[in-house]
Amino acid sequence: QLVLTQSPSASASLGASVKLTCTLSSGHSTYAIAWHQQQPEKGPRFLMKVNSDGSHNKGDGIPDRFSGSSSGAERYLTISSLHSEDEADYYCQTWGTGIGVFGGGTKLTVL
Amino acid sequence: EVQLLESGGGLVQPGGSLRLSCAASGFTFSNYAMSWVRQAPGKGLEWVSAISGSGGTTYYADSVKGRFTISRDTSKNTLYLQIHSLRAEDTAVYYCAKDRLAIAISHFDSWGQGTLVTVSS
Repeated sequence: QLVLTQSPSASASLGASVKLTCTLSSGHSTYAIAWHQQQPEKGPRFLMKVNSDGSHNKGDGIPDRFSGSSSGAERYLTISSLHSEDEADYYCQTWGTGIGVFGGGTKLTVL
Repeated sequence: EVQLLESGGGLVQPGGSLRLSCAASGFTFSNYAMSWVRQAPGKGLEWVSAISGSGGTTYYADSVKGRFTISRDTSKNTLYLQIHSLRAEDTAVYYCAKDRLAIAISHFDSWGQGTLVTVSS
C-alpha cells in the first residue's frame, strides 16, 4: 500500500534552516513526490517535485531558500533563512495508477 | 497565470446532493488532468477524484466511490464534482487542483482557493 509518513510538527528559529522529511512506504522507494505549502487559512501552494535521485523542479516564484533532496525512501524539503511567513503546514504528495496520496502534513512553527 | 476558482459549496442535509464547479483559466484546459482534493476541518489533505485531460479516464478514492462523479466541460473550461448521498464526514473544504500531465495522476502544480461543503441537519 502506497503511504507517505510525515512528522506532525517541527520548529526552528527565525533565520535558521529546517529540514522536513517525507517517508515512502516499503516497496515504493523510487517514487517521486511533490511538496505543497499551506499557510493559515489559505489554499495549498505547490512548492516542488522531488525525484528519487534528489533532483527537484520548483514551482513558479518559489524562492531559492526552498530546496529538495532524497535518500532512499526519504524525500526532504529544506528551508533556509526562515521567514515568519514560512510558518505553515507542509504536505508531501505522491501518486500511483489511479490514486493520489498525501502525507499527514507537518506543522512548521517559526520561533 | 493559472487560475482555478471553485464554487457551489454550501450547507446541505445528510443524504442530499451538490454539484461543485471549478472554473479554469490561464492554460489549455484539455491538455491537463484535474483532481479534487478535500480537507476536513482541522485535518490534512485527502485526494478525492481525478480526471484525465480528455475526460476519458476517471479515478476515485474508495471513500467516495459510487457517490461522487467527476466530469469536465472543455467548451466551458470547467471541472465538476457531483456529490450524492452526502454524509457528515464529507464536510470539508473542496479544492480543485491542476495536474502536471494530461494523464491522471501526477503531481499537482496549481490549486484553487477552495469551496466549503457542510453536511448537517
